Amino acid sequence: DAKTTQPPSMDCAEGRAANLPCNHSTISGNEYVYWYRQIHSQGPQYIIHGLKNNETNEMASLIITEDRKSSTLILPHATLRDTAVYYCIVRLGGTDKLIFGTGTRLQVFP
Amino acid sequence: EPEVTQTPSHQVTQMGQEVILRCVPISNHLYFYWYRQILGQKVEFLVSFYNNEISEKSEIFDDQFSVERPDGSNFTLKIRSTKLEDSAMYFCASSEVFRLGPNTGELFFGEGSRLTVL
Repeated sequence: DAKTTQPPSMDCAEGRAANLPCNHSTISGNEYVYWYRQIHSQGPQYIIHGLKNNETNEMASLIITEDRKSSTLILPHATLRDTAVYYCIVRLGGTDKLIFGTGTRLQVFP
Repeated sequence: EPEVTQTPSHQVTQMGQEVILRCVPISNHLYFYWYRQILGQKVEFLVSFYNNEISEKSEIFDDQFSVERPDGSNFTLKIRSTKLEDSAMYFCASSEVFRLGPNTGELFFGEGSRLTVL
């Protein structure tokens, strides 16, 4: 089972920041938090990952709380093309697999 | 930008038939994966493959399934005798590095092969 909890859906106005929360209260010290998204039925797309420090790349920012029990993915200026299902994944230590949950369906509206 | 390519994009088959789904991973990647997604459900891990052998597999990946890297570029998933419940989108993925570390093995997914079993 997925080790994360996410709200099933969120809305965001185009041009505004989208803040997607994730709870991972049972995360272990060597487990990374990954974010992927899936647009329609396309293959999942990597967004960002982190261990304990906040991370930023060209797509998004990842804010991880100090106790590592939760994190927030921030899309700074959401566009209509960011409408997708966003998955927060804790990658199990020493294993290959990503365990996808049900994710958050983000709807960006004009 | 390099990408993972999958063929066919859609295959329709009769129950009991063998199906081979093909993938061309990104050229310098060493680790390969198959995932599947039944319509309306979660993306599920099937198998990972490295150095010409399976490194991890899920309970779904039973004896009906097999994977192979027949040459230097292709990575295939074979389903020996398809069942109705095998109908799903199958995603191939590849990564340059493995497991945890500073470069933590971002997975690149293909666009998927939709399998419909009648």
